[in-house]
Amino acid sequence: DMKVTQMPRYLIKRMGENVLLECGQDMSHETMYWYRQDPGLGLQLIYISYDVDSNSEGDIPKGYRVSRKKREHFSLILDSAKTNQTSVYFCASSLSGPFSYEQYFGPGTRLTVL
Amino acid sequence: DAKTTQPDSMESTEGETVHLPCSHATISGNEYIYWYRQVPLQGPEYVTHGLQQNTTNSMAFLAIASDRKSSTLILPHVSLRDAAVYHCILRASSSFSKLVFGQGTSLSVVP
Repeated sequence: DMKVTQMPRYLIKRMGENVLLECGQDMSHETMYWYRQDPGLGLQLIYISYDVDSNSEGDIPKGYRVSRKKREHFSLILDSAKTNQTSVYFCASSLSGPFSYEQYFGPGTRLTVL
Repeated sequence: DAKTTQPDSMESTEGETVHLPCSHATISGNEYIYWYRQVPLQGPEYVTHGLQQNTTNSMAFLAIASDRKSSTLILPHVSLRDAAVYHCILRASSSFSKLVFGQGTSLSVVP
């Protein structure tokens, strides 16, 4: 069963704390993504990872960093979280090249920064 | 990525065939038309995509205008589970281009 998992599903943090969001996929996809979704703004791309240790900034990378040490895992890190980083975060994965038409999304992590 | 225009909301009745329109007047020659849908508290789900020809799969039929300036996602015999926000997205053919989601069309289905 093709699946993208995200942990945790819900998280409440205080401003200034560090946050780690984890994403896993069981499809051996090379490419993985982190998006955030806010009301009225649609999905915004934070980072893309093309494979292990091959990451690239998306449209809104400021305040975030990522880590990909294994093909099946992709982490999003918020160092010193801010209240404006309260959002729903989605991880996705896809094949690369001409077969990358479908992105598989995880169920999301709802992060609240107080 | 070029912009798309969709109605904010549509309503249908179970069993009906639903036509979801999308306008993309400034589409480029190398841009594919993608449709994703999203239900509350879940991530987006791929529905279908096409370039020039109409396409069909188990979920939907995608009709693309001959000038490619508009498309219609056709959902046959909708059920309550088809209620979702449907996003029409343009995506360049490069391997690593992102998906840019707008507001989409919120489809409600009543019994």
